[in-house]
Amino acid sequence: GAVVSQHPSWVICKSGTSVKIECRSLDFQATTMFWYRQFPKQSLMLMATSNEGSKATYEQGVEKDKFLINHASLTLSTLTVTSAHPEDSSFYICSAKGPGTSGRSTKNIQYFGAGTRLSVL
Amino acid sequence: SQQGEEDPQALSIQEGENATMNCSYKTSINNLQWYRQNSGRGLVHLILIRSNEREKHSGRLRVTLDTSKKSSSLLITASRAADTASYFCATARNSGNTPLVFGKGTRLSVIA
Repeated sequence: GAVVSQHPSWVICKSGTSVKIECRSLDFQATTMFWYRQFPKQSLMLMATSNEGSKATYEQGVEKDKFLINHASLTLSTLTVTSAHPEDSSFYICSAKGPGTSGRSTKNIQYFGAGTRLSVL
Repeated sequence: SQQGEEDPQALSIQEGENATMNCSYKTSINNLQWYRQNSGRGLVHLILIRSNEREKHSGRLRVTLDTSKKSSSLLITASRAADTASYFCATARNSGNTPLVFGKGTRLSVIA
């Protein structure tokens, strides 16, 4: 249980185009999902917190107009990198908090998608 | 902002040896978690230790937490080549829907 699917796993695009990344919780509902960015050999940096049915909360320094987040349902959050440029090339990872069902305290655990490697030419 | 700092940044050991990774953090926490990341992949949760716990075991993993020193350690015993990965500690300030703050990670290489 608690599987998070992220798609696509790899995308190459031309500068100026927009790219949408999907993050789905497959077997549980996630009212909150998180989007991270990771540069090579570095740690994960939180970009934003995605809340179902409301606006995302962005971290300081992250442009909300450039990184559009939509959390339209309890199982899907999308990150759209608009007008992508080479400096946006990175590894983007989403996560969702566990369901916290009875008998298992998983609500504090984040389950991660496999990540999306974005290369902007 | 990043909170955790792992030490060492990179560790190379022989198969069968134990690997110890350390993590320090700056603010008060509700829990601390360790995650593993294989190259170019997502993260896999390994173990969670709460702020009122001092030690926890899971298979070949042993985690300690010292809240007075704001530090934690992850010990992998009898390492295997398949343990080669990056290991991150992450802290949570509370048990709600707050995001985790990740450290810089330790790259572990286990040589067969």
